[in-house]
Amino acid sequence: QLQLQESGPGLIESSETLSLTCTVSGGSISSSGYYGGWIRQPPGKGLEWIGSVYFNTGSTYYNTSLKSRVTISVDTSRSQFSLKLISVTAADTAVYYCARHGDYGNYVQWGQGTLVTVSS
Amino acid sequence: QSALTQPASVSGSPGQSITISCTGASSDVGAYNYVSWYQQHPGKAPRLMIYGVSNRPSGVSDRFSGSKSGNTASLTISGLQPEDEADYYCNSYTGSSTLYVFGTGTKVTVL
Repeated sequence: QLQLQESGPGLIESSETLSLTCTVSGGSISSSGYYGGWIRQPPGKGLEWIGSVYFNTGSTYYNTSLKSRVTISVDTSRSQFSLKLISVTAADTAVYYCARHGDYGNYVQWGQGTLVTVSS
Repeated sequence: QSALTQPASVSGSPGQSITISCTGASSDVGAYNYVSWYQQHPGKAPRLMIYGVSNRPSGVSDRFSGSKSGNTASLTISGLQPEDEADYYCNSYTGSSTLYVFGTGTKVTVL
């Protein structure tokens, strides 16, 4: 069974760069035909899709509201994909989830989530 | 791309059926049969319950069913059980630059 695990700092300063990595275990992500997605959830609020990377080609897709600040990349040799969000503010405080999904959605497997707090 | 609209809360007694609506637009929910539903218990990651409007992944109870009419998708939980108490989110493929949009979320309470 495929498992996903987020890792990265839980506390960062305002204006800095948020960097998270999702490690996939229990299977290969290369040539899998799946996508790695990042979704966040501010405390007490709903889910927001940040963006996704297609494992086979490394093609990326971003939420237009965050596109200017987000970079998602994949390292298939390490079975990892990563999120970078620059110039963070308190509004970026959230639980960040990584997930594997197929074409058109279907987020079938999720990491446990990691809380990132932006301090001012 | 605006979030899909869901009722903030829905409640029901054990054994009853409830339905959660998810209203979008002709450019997302209305345009594609790619609506999925997620269950989220407090402090836990979401869990896929329905995909492709009405398909259940392996391991999901057949008490959960999905449908769509026009720009509105729906999740029905029949035979409501205490463990169904959770937040539920819909999600739709949009085909636009923001590929996916989630719903606002619905808190289900089992009375």
